[in-house]
Formats: sequence, C-alpha cells, structure tokens
Amino acid sequence: AAGVIQSPRHLIKEKRETATLKCYPIPRHDTVYWYQQGPGQDPQFLISFYEKMQSDKGSIPDRFSAQQFSDYHSELNMSSLELGDSALYFCASSGAGASYEQYFGPGTRLTVT
Amino acid sequence: AQTVTQSQPEMSVQEAETVTLSCTYDTSESDYYLFWYKQPPSRQMILVIRQEAYKQQNATENRFSVNFQKAAKSFSLKISDSQLGDAAMYFCAYLRLPFYGNKLVFGAGTILRVKS
Repeated sequence: AAGVIQSPRHLIKEKRETATLKCYPIPRHDTVYWYQQGPGQDPQFLISFYEKMQSDKGSIPDRFSAQQFSDYHSELNMSSLELGDSALYFCASSGAGASYEQYFGPGTRLTVT
Repeated sequence: AQTVTQSQPEMSVQEAETVTLSCTYDTSESDYYLFWYKQPPSRQMILVIRQEAYKQQNATENRFSVNFQKAAKSFSLKISDSQLGDAAMYFCAYLRLPFYGNKLVFGAGTILRVKS
C-alpha cells in the first residue's frame, strides 16, 4: 500500500538559511499534518490542513509557514533557521474512510549547523 | 487542554512474555479517539492500535490489546508473546473530535526493551 512520502529525507542547513520540506499524502487522503520531534521527545504538532485550508495550528514559529496545494501535497517552509530547529519533521495524512487515523511519513531529519 | 501521561519511562520484558504499558489522559470531552504508536530505532511512527471512546469493547490487533477505562481515563497497551521486533518507543496519543485536521496529543513515551 502507498504510504506518505517526504522529501528530502535528510537536510543540512546553516543558521539563517531557508529550508523547504515536502510531503505527499497517501492517495485520496485530504488532510495533512506536520509534527516536529526533537531528540528524546514526543512529536509536537505544528500545523494541519484539511481540503487545502489551514485546519489547526500549534506552536509553529512565525519563521515557519506551510500550505497544501491543489494536488493535496504540502510544503513546510522554514526561514532564518536556528540551531534549535534541528529535529525530525514528520508529515502525516488522514482521510478517505478511517479518516481519524493519521499515517506518518518517514520524516525529514533537519540539521542546522 | 488535553494532556496525556505515560508514567513509565522504560520497561523491560522477556521474549515470549507479556508486558503492559500504562497511559492516562485528561479531557473534558466525552467523545474522542485514543491511539498507540510504535517508534522503532528507524524513527518511523507506526500506528499500532486505536480505540474509539464511545466503544466499550477493548480493541485488539493480533498480539496487541488495550484496556480502556473511560471513567478512570486510562488506556493501557498489552503486548502478548513479546518479540524482539517489539522493542521500540511507544507513544500513547489522544485525538479530539471532530477530527478533520485535529492534532494528536502525545504522551512522553515509554521505551520498551525486549530481552532474549
């Protein structure tokens, strides 16, 4: 079965640079979520989109923005990167039947140096 | 705001034996969903089992089952016939309804070690 696809899988950036993370949900899923997981921590919710509209928002820094496109894929844009942004970023998707289940992608490991 | 508490930072179990991971949550809502996710060393988040709050029957998925006590706001995970591949971090998670776009609220996690 098709899963959530995230790219890139690994990303190394320097402080003050910009990063763009991409997420391709499971086919026919209409809801996308972004989570950030620091080392030894549980995933923290950033933002979600349902049918291309922002649905819920967590503790997402103003330096971050995201959107969901017409094909339902989503991008998380991160600017003025800080060392503390180094983390594993998950995208999850839900929808189409058992819509309350969120299926996670493999994550993008972002390292800021 | 909803909170999820996993009071066991780490648990160990002998291969082929049974282990129970604890989870409690706090909410004023009457309808919600609860989940257990597994995160092995690969860091992939894998959905293990779900429970709808309106259902009294405890969910089961093969060797995994839950003990859902709504009044006590308790949601424990039982793993039977533990296998080496069960070694992972396990997260309990809460989902408020309506669920379109609603976030999962996670507990801090429990590291499960399986001894051969």
